[in-house]
Amino acid sequence: AQSVTQPDIHITVSEGASLELRCNYSYGATPYLFWYVQSPGQGLQLLLKYFSGDTLVQGIKGFEAEFKRSQSSFNLRKPSVHWSDAAEYFCAVVPSGGSYIPTFGRGTSLIVHP
Amino acid sequence: NAGVTQTPKFQVLKTGQSMTLQCAQDMNHNSMYWYRQDPGMGLRLIYYSASEGTTDKGEVPNGYNVSRLNKREFSLRLESAAPSQTSVYFCASLGTGQGSNQPQHFGDGTRLSIL
Repeated sequence: AQSVTQPDIHITVSEGASLELRCNYSYGATPYLFWYVQSPGQGLQLLLKYFSGDTLVQGIKGFEAEFKRSQSSFNLRKPSVHWSDAAEYFCAVVPSGGSYIPTFGRGTSLIVHP
Repeated sequence: NAGVTQTPKFQVLKTGQSMTLQCAQDMNHNSMYWYRQDPGMGLRLIYYSASEGTTDKGEVPNGYNVSRLNKREFSLRLESAAPSQTSVYFCASLGTGQGSNQPQHFGDGTRLSIL
């Protein structure tokens, strides 16, 4: 069975600092990979996605993520964090074929200090 | 705006009461999903419907039932609510279903407390 690990439950950064949120997955083939953001009291919003091709993908709000097949990782990055980026971030994996049943990581809560 | 609409947004129940959570999408999506979100647990799939007329169990189906009323609507029912079902419930939809590489679209959630 596939699994997704987000090893950091909480991350605290200062506004303007760089950010990297980690995501590792376990799956036999290269799956479809997603990062979602959830603001308090809201549903999940897609930040970016990877299906194939260029391993560095750009998303909304200045986020990017890099797929590394050798490490089974799909880490999310942002060069300069804004206070409005404080939220919960979820990595998700979907098998590249068959039923569309995503597996979500447990989430990383981002805290931004002024 | 087009999207996924969940009702109600908040609800408090007593143990043993029943309730139906409603979800509707206006994007003509084939697949719909119900998740629950608990602190530190991420999203766990309760039930999903790959297409109109079909439903399947997810990871945590016990204590819940679903109905795919039509292509737009997918409801989640708690027949006899228990405190362990206190959670935030999210509905999601997906455009092309099986084999899709598209993201899901999520509603804003229903916050359910069971006393």
